[in-house]
Amino acid sequence: AQSVTQLGSHVSVSEGALVLLRCNYSSSVPPYLFWYVQYPNQGLQLLLKYTTGATLVKGINGFEAEFKKSETSFHLTKPSAHMSDAAEHFCAVTTNTGNQFYFGTGTSLTVIP
Amino acid sequence: KAGVTQTPRYLIKTRGQQVTLSCSPISGHRSVSWYQQTPGQGLQFLFEYFSETQRNKGNFPGRFSGRQFSNSRSEMNVSTLELGDSALYLCASSPPPGPVHFGNGTRLTVT
Repeated sequence: AQSVTQLGSHVSVSEGALVLLRCNYSSSVPPYLFWYVQYPNQGLQLLLKYTTGATLVKGINGFEAEFKKSETSFHLTKPSAHMSDAAEHFCAVTTNTGNQFYFGTGTSLTVIP
Repeated sequence: KAGVTQTPRYLIKTRGQQVTLSCSPISGHRSVSWYQQTPGQGLQFLFEYFSETQRNKGNFPGRFSGRQFSNSRSEMNVSTLELGDSALYLCASSPPPGPVHFGNGTRLTVT
């Protein structure tokens, strides 16, 4: 079975500060890992994904994440927070060619001006 | 390219009624999956359809059902609605394997 744990349901950072959102996964087989962002009253938008290959993946809006197998982690980072980053962020895992994703409970990112 | 389209955006139903939600995937995407999002349970997988066949199913009661048509459009049906079915229902499509693209969802309120 697969699962995702997001540590910290709420994270606040100052505008321009480093963003770090934590995600740990559990999977018995090599995982595919994703980060999504959700703005109010909207669906989920893909920020970045890891399937195979390079463990440091870069996504949209300056976000990146590093797959660390030894730590079963896939933390999301951004060097400098922008007001538009304020939203709910979800980490997700899947391990097959189907689309049964397992989502974390989400981290609400607040950016303080 | 048009994104995933879900209709309607909002629905209000009464307990005991049934409801049908519609999803049009991105052109060329053959896989459609459905998720329920609630404040208490978060995002939970309902089911996935590929080429008109249900390929994966989550842990939901039989009141929740779906289908996919030959043009990949999908519908989800919930019968005998309960208050706890109030949620945002999200549809997602992808060209497997690949990242999943989500629609903006249908907000269902059961009174």
